Order: sequence, then structure tokens, then C-alpha cells
Amino acid sequence: SQKIEQNSEALNIQEGKTATLTCNYTNYSPAYLQWYRQDPGRGPVFLLLIRENEKEKRKERLKVTFDTTLKQSLFHITASQPADSATYLCALRSNNLFFGTGTRLTVIP
Amino acid sequence: NAGVTQTPKFQVLKTGQSMTLQCAQDMNHEYMSWYRQDPGMGLRLIHYSVGAGITDQGEVPNGYNVSRSTTEDFPLRLLSAAPSQTSVYFCASSYMGLALTGELFFGEGSRLTVL
Repeated sequence: SQKIEQNSEALNIQEGKTATLTCNYTNYSPAYLQWYRQDPGRGPVFLLLIRENEKEKRKERLKVTFDTTLKQSLFHITASQPADSATYLCALRSNNLFFGTGTRLTVIP
Repeated sequence: NAGVTQTPKFQVLKTGQSMTLQCAQDMNHEYMSWYRQDPGMGLRLIHYSVGAGITDQGEVPNGYNVSRSTTEDFPLRLLSAAPSQTSVYFCASSYMGLALTGELFFGEGSRLTVL
């Protein structure tokens, strides 16, 4: 069966450190992968897209990698801040857009 | 630009009642979709549309109907509400379907409780 797994439900890190979130998938052949941020009581907001032929994408303090051999994407937030605390969702574009369950990140001051 | 607007934000229904969740977007997006979000299950696609007059089923379509008579509106109808439909519902839209960037713009969600 098809699965999208994000490494943990919750991740706590100290302010200033790099947060690394993992997205693993099985039985998909995605054309691209996206990451979204969701704050409590709000809809998800798009952050980054990475295509299957791209290894890495950066946007400000965010970096995403995509390894189609390992079937894995890593999402990094460098110099993390308390304002980065949120749930982060990965999504795969296959015949439609499918989401993982998310990782709730808490950045501790 | 209001983006994607969903109404109502909160709704309580009794089992067997019907209702419609409204979704409107003002970005002239061709693609629109409905997801439900449940704890531990993530966002699951219910129905989607690639343009006016065209709708299709997602992962969990049972118990829901949709129609797309205009580019702007994509209502979701619950025909006979069941407790298993208690969830948070999100409407989302995208420019150029999913062929370009595929970035989805989400509404703020509609929290539905079925007693």
C-alpha cells in the first residue's frame, strides 16, 4: 500500500539549532514533493517545492533535499526561532497531491 | 484578494442531517479540492475538480458530493451526516491544475461535529 511517513509526531529543539524533519514514502513515484507549514487552527501554507530531478532546494533558512533512490526528503530549518514552531507537512504529487501526517516542531527559547 | 474562503467555520450536525460546506476562491484557479484532516491520519483528499463542470473522486469520497458550476465555487455536500464525518475540512485551489508548481492555497478550514 502507499504510505507517506514523517519521522515523528513531535520534535523539540533549542533556539538557534538546525531542525531536520524527515519524509519517507513507499509505492509512489512522485513528480515532485512539497513542504507546507500549518499553524494551529489554520490552513496549511506552502513553503517549498522540489522536483524529482532536483537534489536540493533552498529558501532563506529553509533547505529541502529529495532522494528518489532512498524515497526520502529531508527538510531543514537553520538557526531555528520560536516563531518556527508549527506543524510541517510533506506532500507528494503523484496522480494527485497526497499528504503525510505532519511533524509538530517546537523551538524552545 | 481574499484567497480561498470557506464557510461555515464551525458546524454541529445530528446524525442523518445534510449540509453544504461552501468554498470560493477569487484567484481564477482551475484546480480546486476538498480535504479532511483527522488526528493521526493527515490530510486526505475527498473530491477534486480540474475546471468548471469537471469533478472526480479522491481517496475518501463516500458520503460526499461535489459540483463545479463556476470557476470560483466548489461546494461540498454531506448527504446524510455520520459521526465518522466529524473532522476539519479544508478547501484548496491551485493555478494551472497540478501541472505547473502545484502549490495549493488552502482556506482556513471548517470544523464539523456530527453527534
